[in-house]
Amino acid sequence: GAVVSQHPSWVICKSGTSVKIECRSLDFQATTMFWYRQFPKQSLMLMATSNEGSKATYEQGVEKDKFLINHASLTLSTLTVTSAHPEDSSFYICSARPYLDRLGTGELFFGEGSRLTVL
Amino acid sequence: AQKITQTQPGMFVQEKEAVTLDCTYDTSDPSYGLFWYKQPSSGEMIFLIYQGSYDQQNATEGRYSLNFQKARKSANLVISASQLGDSAMYFCAMREGSAGGTSYGKLTFGQGTILTVHP
Repeated sequence: GAVVSQHPSWVICKSGTSVKIECRSLDFQATTMFWYRQFPKQSLMLMATSNEGSKATYEQGVEKDKFLINHASLTLSTLTVTSAHPEDSSFYICSARPYLDRLGTGELFFGEGSRLTVL
Repeated sequence: AQKITQTQPGMFVQEKEAVTLDCTYDTSDPSYGLFWYKQPSSGEMIFLIYQGSYDQQNATEGRYSLNFQKARKSANLVISASQLGDSAMYFCAMREGSAGGTSYGKLTFGQGTILTVHP
């Protein structure tokens, strides 16, 4: 199956620093990538939709200056949490939609997730 | 309005028995897809099964089957012969719209159901 790699899988940082999370599709081209945030035992909440070569589309209530998303190539999207604070501590997970949707289902392939802890 | 509703925060089942996880959805889009994902404690999202809105038959994948009742807007997941390894959080998700849009593949998730399988 298609593989999406997310790095780092966990990160601890000090308050006020910035953290970058990478999401790579390893064996397919991803026109669109999605970034989700998940608090413990809660649902996945969509933060933004990232299309290659264009600005990300953020969901209502998500600060675009706080969560910088870049989709520089068809295989890489990055999420940068700027000036992180303890309330930004969460599980961030990306998903990628293949350029060729062979099954016609719109299925997404998910990364392993990144657990961010801000001290 | 909630688009995807999972009313069971937690479910318990005895090993080797079947269990049904409930999911109802709300959409006015005639074209949509319904997914079920399993999320173990490690955090990865594991795709289980897909049902398209135009599919005439209920989807099945091994021990997983989807009880799709379109008129009632429900898409319950049935797991037969439960195993200890099935203990995890389960999410129902919906993808609206047809292929071609830049946000095609965007998923809305339900609140999740924590399934515990007892030996």
